[in-house]
Amino acid sequence: SQKIEQNSEALNIQEGKTATLTCNYTNYSPAYLQWYRQDPGRGPVFLLLIRENEKEKRKERLKVTFDTTLKQSLFHITASQPADSATYLCALDHGSGNTGKLIFGQGTTLQVKP
Amino acid sequence: EAEVAQSPRYKITEKSQAVAFWCDPISGHATLYWYRQILGQGPELLVQFQDESVVDDSQLPKDRFSAERLKGVDSTLKIQPAELGDSAMYLCASSPRGPVLTFGAGSRLTVL
Repeated sequence: SQKIEQNSEALNIQEGKTATLTCNYTNYSPAYLQWYRQDPGRGPVFLLLIRENEKEKRKERLKVTFDTTLKQSLFHITASQPADSATYLCALDHGSGNTGKLIFGQGTTLQVKP
Repeated sequence: EAEVAQSPRYKITEKSQAVAFWCDPISGHATLYWYRQILGQGPELLVQFQDESVVDDSQLPKDRFSAERLKGVDSTLKIQPAELGDSAMYLCASSPRGPVLTFGAGSRLTVL
């Protein structure tokens, strides 16, 4: 069956370090993958989208890679700050031609300590 | 900056009661989504509208849930009767077209 897996354990890192979050999927062939940030009690906020023909994408301190052979995306936050503490969700298109139907992972909580 | 508006932000109800959530998407966004997020899990799509038409409601428990978007603008999600397992955050999102979603702040439902 189709599955998206993110590390369910919280990631704790020191301020200034690089945080790396992982998203693995099986039995999908997504045309693109997205990353969202979610703060407690709030809705997710879009961060980055990467398409299947793109290997890497950057936005300020954020970098996303997409390996369709490994069926994995890595999400990096460089020079992390306490304000980066949140839950990060990866999302794939369902692959049914409905580009708006996203399937979300369960999210990984990042805690950046000063 | 344009936002997706949702109300109420919090709702506490007893099981077997009816509950309704309202969503006003960003102006001009033709596609509207209702997602349900159980604590500790990712959002799950309940229903997707394109203008006033339902595109996908395959995961909507139709025996107790209903959703409408009569004029292709705002939308209402209703649960009747509510069950204990319905306790969750109900998220509304919209998009002009394409895959990037803008979410509202959500409506937190607690069923006692």
